[in-house]
Amino acid sequence: DAGITQSPRHKVTETGTPVTLRCHQTENHRYMYWYRQDPGHGLRLIHYSYGVKDTDKGEVSDGYSVSRSKTEDFLLTLESATSSQTSVYFCAISESDRDHEQYFGPGTRLTVT
Amino acid sequence: AQSVTQPDIHITVSEGASLELRCNYSYGATPYLFWYVQSPGQGLQLLLKYFSGDTLVQGIKGFEAEFKRSQSSFNLRKPSVHWSDAAEYFCAAPPSGATNKLIFGTGTLLAVQP
Repeated sequence: DAGITQSPRHKVTETGTPVTLRCHQTENHRYMYWYRQDPGHGLRLIHYSYGVKDTDKGEVSDGYSVSRSKTEDFLLTLESATSSQTSVYFCAISESDRDHEQYFGPGTRLTVT
Repeated sequence: AQSVTQPDIHITVSEGASLELRCNYSYGATPYLFWYVQSPGQGLQLLLKYFSGDTLVQGIKGFEAEFKRSQSSFNLRKPSVHWSDAAEYFCAAPPSGATNKLIFGTGTLLAVQP
């Protein structure tokens, strides 16, 4: 299995509070991704990174920001959490842009009350 | 816009029966295609992938998939399902022109009856 960890694995927070989720990889892969998974929607891309300090938006980026200061870490921040951001969040990594193959972390279940 | 469609939300099969999960894509050129599996409470695991060449690809856990350009399909098959195959299955492909992203279908949840 690819060396990807996510922390925390579970979190309950209140509406309006900031939340940061962390993805850590030990594979030295260039690309990192944040997805959210919701019933009936599959996985939707929030943000992704193609290198240190290089990030771009995905299809559902509103209300989220990211940072990547080191190759191994990719942080997802909800500046002011809302109930609509209750979801399971997955981090993924990819070595190259040639084969598109992505490897996934175990996920973080976030509940916003 | 490019899309990946999984028409079946839920499928139930008996243990030992054959399985086929459907995936359709809308792209002009031959895409890269993937199947992932997600067990309850877990992340996604790559089952198999198609890039080019032989249209029948073999994956892990006894799964295979066949790319059919004429039908824009990449269906996943297994000849004999085991109870441990109960999981959610996702088809994915990169959007046209994007070399480092994937679009996922909405998933098919497989239940296996004893």
